[in-house]
Order: sequence, then structure tokens, then C-alpha cells
Amino acid sequence: SSVLTQPPSVSVAPGKTATITCGGNNIGDIGVHWYQQKPGQAPVLVIYYDSDRPSGIPERFSGSNSGNTATLTIGRVEAGDEADYYCQVWDTNSDHLVFGGGTKLTVL
Amino acid sequence: EVQLLESGGGLVQPGGSLKLSCAASGFTFSTYAMSWVRQAPGKGVEWVSSISGSVGSTYYADSVKGRFAISRDSSKNTVYLQMNNLRAEDTAVYYCAKDGILGSIRPYYFDYWGQGTLVTVSS
Repeated sequence: SSVLTQPPSVSVAPGKTATITCGGNNIGDIGVHWYQQKPGQAPVLVIYYDSDRPSGIPERFSGSNSGNTATLTIGRVEAGDEADYYCQVWDTNSDHLVFGGGTKLTVL
Repeated sequence: EVQLLESGGGLVQPGGSLKLSCAASGFTFSTYAMSWVRQAPGKGVEWVSSISGSVGSTYYADSVKGRFAISRDSSKNTVYLQMNNLRAEDTAVYYCAKDGILGSIRPYYFDYWGQGTLVTVSS
């Protein structure tokens, strides 16, 4: 099944832009979804189908997907954005749902 | 308001069995695929299993296939996960999750999650 590669950690200063990548073979050909998980809480969907935002998610969260890399971008980062972020796809070859290993976002 | 409430977790010995339940409310349960996702202590999230809304198609991660069984009862708005032959590596918080696509026959993405139930496999 697909393997999704995320950087273990990303650090960013408040007010700056955070970029979290999700690498996979031809991932640009399939929909990628992103979740935010804060300590002790369940994950929350922040981006679906590459770039769509669920209601209630700030416009600061955006996504893109092309080639072998999907990207979650968080603009004007706030302390409250500090969390683990996971990308996710459905692998049609194996009929398996796959999560990336997760990226811990630290706000300096 | 969508709510997902898991129950049934606990401490079980290796080789034992446990059945998790997830009671759903706030949406038309029978029209959405439902899934279980787990998270071992200090680790990332891992998909476990999914079941479609109508035709009852099921999907399993390789790590649990043949040991776990997912099912649903639309009369009770509940999805279950029967876990047999449990191993230490099955220790995790198990989350129930609702699919984001109406009428899906396979999982797409999860727009709502429960708060999870802890399963500990240890002697």
C-alpha cells in the first residue's frame, strides 16, 4: 500500500507561515486530506480533497497537491496551531486507507 | 450535532477478545461509511477498519485482518469492532470516525471523530 512521508517536526515563529509536506508516489493524482491533533484530543479535519476547508476552519489553513508532494500551509501561525498534523489518502491499489507518520508543529 | 461515543475498552490479556461499540447520533447513520482508527501511546494514528453504509462492504488493515471484525446495526445507530486474539501491539486508543461523503461505499476522509476508548493488552 501507499507510503506517505512527512517530516517529523516543523518549527515556525508566531505570525509566520508553516509548511508541512506529505510525500508519496504520484500523490498528486489522488485526493489528500489533512488532520490536526492536539494533545489528549481526537484528530480534527482541517483540509479535505487537497485544498477544501471544512466549516469552522480558518482561512489561514490551505492545501495543495501536485506531483509527488501534497502541502499543508498555515499562514500567520498562532500558538494555538501547535499540534500534530497528519496527511491521509485512500490507496485504490490495495483498498487501504493510509495516514502519514505525522508532523509535530512547534510554534517558537 | 454529530456525536460519536465509543465504549468497551479496557484491560485484556494477550490472546483475549474485546468488543468496542460506537453510538452515533446527529446524522443519518445508514448513509455514511464508518471507520475505526487507533493510536498507540506516543505514536501516530493508524487506520484499522471501515464499513460502508448500505451494502456493508468491509475493509481492514493488514495488521488486523483475520483477527478483527467490523459491523454495524442501523437500528441502533451503532458500529462495532470485535477484536480477537489480541496482541500487545494492539494497545491503543481506538477512535470511531464518520466518513465525510454521503453514500460512500468505501472510506474517503473523516469529518467527525469520537473521543476514543483505550484498549490495553497486557498480562
